[in-house]
Amino acid sequence: NAGVMQNPRHLVRRRGQEARLRCSPMKGHSHVYWYRQLPEEGLKFMVYLQKENIIDESGMPKERFSAEFPKEGPSILRIQQVVRGDSAAYFCASSPPRQVKEQFFGPGTRLTVL
Amino acid sequence: SQQGEEDPQALSIQEGENATMNCSYKTSINNLQWYRQNSGRGLVHLILIRSNEREKHSGRLRVTLDTSKKSSSLLITASRAADTASYFCATDTKYAGGTSYGKLTFGQGTILTVHP
Repeated sequence: NAGVMQNPRHLVRRRGQEARLRCSPMKGHSHVYWYRQLPEEGLKFMVYLQKENIIDESGMPKERFSAEFPKEGPSILRIQQVVRGDSAAYFCASSPPRQVKEQFFGPGTRLTVL
Repeated sequence: SQQGEEDPQALSIQEGENATMNCSYKTSINNLQWYRQNSGRGLVHLILIRSNEREKHSGRLRVTLDTSKKSSSLLITASRAADTASYFCATDTKYAGGTSYGKLTFGQGTILTVHP
């Protein structure tokens, strides 16, 4: 059973470009979470999705950031018009559809904005 | 202090010694989870303890939870150099009606260094 997969592992963008981060949850997991980790800090929740639904996006910046989890395919975190402050590691986690939600994390995508 | 705050921030020990890390939080929780992160890597899930549990073991790991004090501890016994990593606690907040929205609130982490 493959773990949570994220790609790319490293992404370099110039200011103003768009960044697309992909996450494929573990097999059988229907819940996806995105977190951001700034250097030397803990993870901060961004968004929680189920298939075709955004459940909680309270941690998402109001502008430039969006997320989706389509019926088919991976979950996508999209950052438009990136700025240097967006440089961080972005982690995706997935959990099965059970009440007690253990979350299993992917290896992360390290975004560097030049 | 912030939700899921770990103490100490850094811990340096010798192989074979025990390592204890503490975590404090502010809200009511459904569960508390501990994760390990090796430098520049993803998070590895270590253990989950439910709010109605007081202690849980997994191999060399022992986790306690005191909901009255809103605190948890992670004990690693007989530490090894391979245990060197950052350790995070994360809480799953309980909302009205016992609802869990699944999002985890992480602390800043404890950096553990185990010297061979």
